[in-house]
Amino acid sequence: AQSVTQPDIHITVSEGASLELRCNYSYGATPYLFWYVQSPGQGLQLLLKYFSGDTLVQGIKGFEAEFKRSQSSFNLRKPSVHWSDAAEYFCAVTLIYNQGGKLIFGQGTELSVKP
Amino acid sequence: EAQVTQNPRYLITVTGKKLTVTCSQNMNHEYMSWYRQDPGLGLRQIYYSMNVEVTDKGDVPEGYKVSRKEKRNFPLILESPSPNQTSLYFCASSLRTSGNRGETQYFGPGTRLLVL
Repeated sequence: AQSVTQPDIHITVSEGASLELRCNYSYGATPYLFWYVQSPGQGLQLLLKYFSGDTLVQGIKGFEAEFKRSQSSFNLRKPSVHWSDAAEYFCAVTLIYNQGGKLIFGQGTELSVKP
Repeated sequence: EAQVTQNPRYLITVTGKKLTVTCSQNMNHEYMSWYRQDPGLGLRQIYYSMNVEVTDKGDVPEGYKVSRKEKRNFPLILESPSPNQTSLYFCASSLRTSGNRGETQYFGPGTRLLVL
């Protein structure tokens, strides 16, 4: 079955440390890939997306993600985490020519930031 | 300001009492969708609409109805709510479907529903 997996439910990092959030997908072809962030009490905000071209994608708030076809992965990274990055992060995919237009989400990774 | 709005933001109701959650976007988007978010499950699509008067079921449509009479509005209707519909609901919109060149979906702030 088609799926998106975020293996880490909860991650804690120290402020200023680097961050990597993992995302793996299971599809027959390359989908469109997204990372969203949900701050407490807020809706989802798009951080970045990939659909073709350079496999290293830059997003907002200093985030980047790298698409690796061989590993079916789209991991999110940030070189230096700020306390304001504490939030829940969702990886999502959608299929090309997906007439239903739905995003298929992973379970989410909650990020805590230690002072 | 371009945005998706939802009302109410919080709602407590009782089993069987019909309710409507409104969703409105001011970006002239064709595509709108409803998701529910549950712990450990991420977000799952309930219904979607490709354009006015065009709606279809998502992955978890049971117990929900929608309508799209105007381009900007896409209300979610629970005719007879049950406790298993207690959840956080998000409305989203995009210019076209996400499958079309990876269109970005813009999300509303969410509606937290508790059904007693």
